[in-house]
Amino acid sequence: GDSVTQTEGLVTLTEGLPVMLNCTYQTIYSNPFLFWYVHYLNESPRLLLKSSTDNKRTEHQGFHATLHKSSSSFHLQKSSAQLSDSALYYCAPNSAGNKLTFGIGTRVLVRP
Amino acid sequence: AQTIHQWPVAEIKAVGSPLSLGCTIKGKSSPNLYWYWQATGGTLQQLFYSITVGQVESVVQLNLSASRPKDDQFILSTEKLLLSHSGFYLCAWNWGGGEQYFGPGTRLTVL
Repeated sequence: GDSVTQTEGLVTLTEGLPVMLNCTYQTIYSNPFLFWYVHYLNESPRLLLKSSTDNKRTEHQGFHATLHKSSSSFHLQKSSAQLSDSALYYCAPNSAGNKLTFGIGTRVLVRP
Repeated sequence: AQTIHQWPVAEIKAVGSPLSLGCTIKGKSSPNLYWYWQATGGTLQQLFYSITVGQVESVVQLNLSASRPKDDQFILSTEKLLLSHSGFYLCAWNWGGGEQYFGPGTRLTVL
């Protein structure tokens, strides 16, 4: 089945500095969808970004990611972190239609 | 617009007692439905999914079972709770693959 590797554990950074969360995946499917979900405390996870197009940058809410099929990567970036970006971030490939394989999740804490 | 409702919002149960959590989707016919679990401080783990009434696939069982008695309803249950069942349970839906939409969740505490 699919698998995904994310930046592990807690990422602590200062407001205004750039953010980069790594995500690499494995799938036998040649055209997977890749997702980044964000999970804020006391809320439900929601979609942040998605892509199935190779080498095309996708952006939302100041975050961006580019799917690179050659390296099986979908890293999440933001040029300037905000306090409100503190949350749990999940990378997830979806190639089987019904099974979304979430990564272990990366907890981001942005400090003033 | 589609809405997803989970019940109860929170539950405190004794070890060994039964459990039933529910999820209802309104505004979408024949959705794919999913159950997820998140241990306190842990990550999301997909437990079950269902693509049609009466059909449920297990991803990780954790001594739980799931059923889909109606097109818009997904039930998670067990006859005997364990301490390790504590956590946050999320129901989600999608249609034809792709983005999943999550419900508000149920927080379960097993004592």
